Amino acid sequence: DTGVSQDPRHKITKRGQNVTFRCDPISEHNRLYWYRQTLGQGPEFLTYFQNEAQLEKSRLLSDRFSAERPKGSFSTLEIQRTEQGDSAMYLCASSLSEGTHRELFFGEGSRLTVL
Amino acid sequence: AQSVTQLDSQVPVFEEAPVELRCNYSSSVSVYLFWYVQYPNQGLQLLLKYLSGSTLVKGINGFEAEFNKSQTSFHLRKPSVHISDTAEYFCAVSNNFGNEKLTFGTGTRLTIIP
Repeated sequence: DTGVSQDPRHKITKRGQNVTFRCDPISEHNRLYWYRQTLGQGPEFLTYFQNEAQLEKSRLLSDRFSAERPKGSFSTLEIQRTEQGDSAMYLCASSLSEGTHRELFFGEGSRLTVL
Repeated sequence: AQSVTQLDSQVPVFEEAPVELRCNYSSSVSVYLFWYVQYPNQGLQLLLKYLSGSTLVKGINGFEAEFNKSQTSFHLRKPSVHISDTAEYFCAVSNNFGNEKLTFGTGTRLTIIP
């Protein structure tokens, strides 16, 4: 297993279109996180899953955003009716809930550009 | 609520010189502290973490950080930097119960001058 993978790495879309990002976590990790990073800022928490349950959502996650993790493995983040303000890097991370390592392993991100 | 302040948005340093990147945090509960590095067009990689125990933490690539509870700081240091250390560095905090949700600072861009 080579780590967290995200697809696509880059997405350019027109305003109003829908986009979907996929994240495949490290296989034995039961927790999965989505973050958004805009230019010049640190990553901001969007939501996280433990197995297939979505346990927390940030107020940043408007009703145009939806995330799923249907079988407790990969996750998708969908943005409907994209706006220019959605342009950002979307980062996925995974972790194990057991143990004391408390480390998030990040993927390389999916960069979204909304024209 | 927790917050992280990285006062220095950019730090230029000559190659082989020492560097310190500053991080201060605010939290009403006990915290875990982290430093992540982000190279251009890549995700974040953990440099080091403080969970408990010794306040001086050593990480990868020769970096270390010291947790100072009274000053609510977790500054990152390296005695001699290399060109390959050019990157964005993020300090982050999480509470010490529940999940691993991180609150990040705004980052410090470290530029190494040859």
